Amino acid sequence: KAGVTQTPRYLIKTRGQQVTLSCSPISGHRSVSWYQQTPGQGLQFLFEYFSETQRNKGNFPGRFSGRQFSNSRSEMNVSTLELGDSALYLCASSNLRDGYEQYFGPGTRLTVT
Amino acid sequence: GQQLNQSPQSMFIQEGEDVSMNCTSSSIFNTWLWYKQDPGEGPVLLIALYKAGELTSNGRLTAQFGITRKDSFLNISASIPSDVGIYFCAGHTGGFKTIFGAGTRLFVKA
Repeated sequence: KAGVTQTPRYLIKTRGQQVTLSCSPISGHRSVSWYQQTPGQGLQFLFEYFSETQRNKGNFPGRFSGRQFSNSRSEMNVSTLELGDSALYLCASSNLRDGYEQYFGPGTRLTVT
Repeated sequence: GQQLNQSPQSMFIQEGEDVSMNCTSSSIFNTWLWYKQDPGEGPVLLIALYKAGELTSNGRLTAQFGITRKDSFLNISASIPSDVGIYFCAGHTGGFKTIFGAGTRLFVKA
């Protein structure tokens, strides 16, 4: 069974630009969560989707948004990029309705210059 | 907001030694999970705990869900070089949101 895939793996953007990251969950998994990982802040929860509905979101500004499609694939978007948005963005999927026991993708490394 | 205090921050041990790390919180959690992250990879789930007092093993790893529901520990027995990595605890209180500890960075000297 294929694992969680994330594209692209690496991305360099300029301040003020916007970016879209993609996540394909493990087949059959309907819960998808997104996290931002930085050396200083660790793993911070961004949002969680189940069956195309956002069920919870973390304490991030409105520049961070996401969505989930009917095939459970998910995208997250960051608009008006800031230098502090440089991070590893991780996607995780779960086959449990409550979203526990998550399986992570390798992440997208975003660098904002 | 909810926070998990994970300790120690880092550990330097000799191959063959046992390792213990823990997470505590001022909040009650319904579920505790332990993950390991290798460089350049996403975290990998090691153990999930669902009941207060539960003790679960996965090979050389053993984890426990504290009776107060505010803490959990992970033990690794007879460490080997491939145990090197960052270990994270994570907790759920419900609400489809996972809270992660800051991680314990483990170094194993052969």
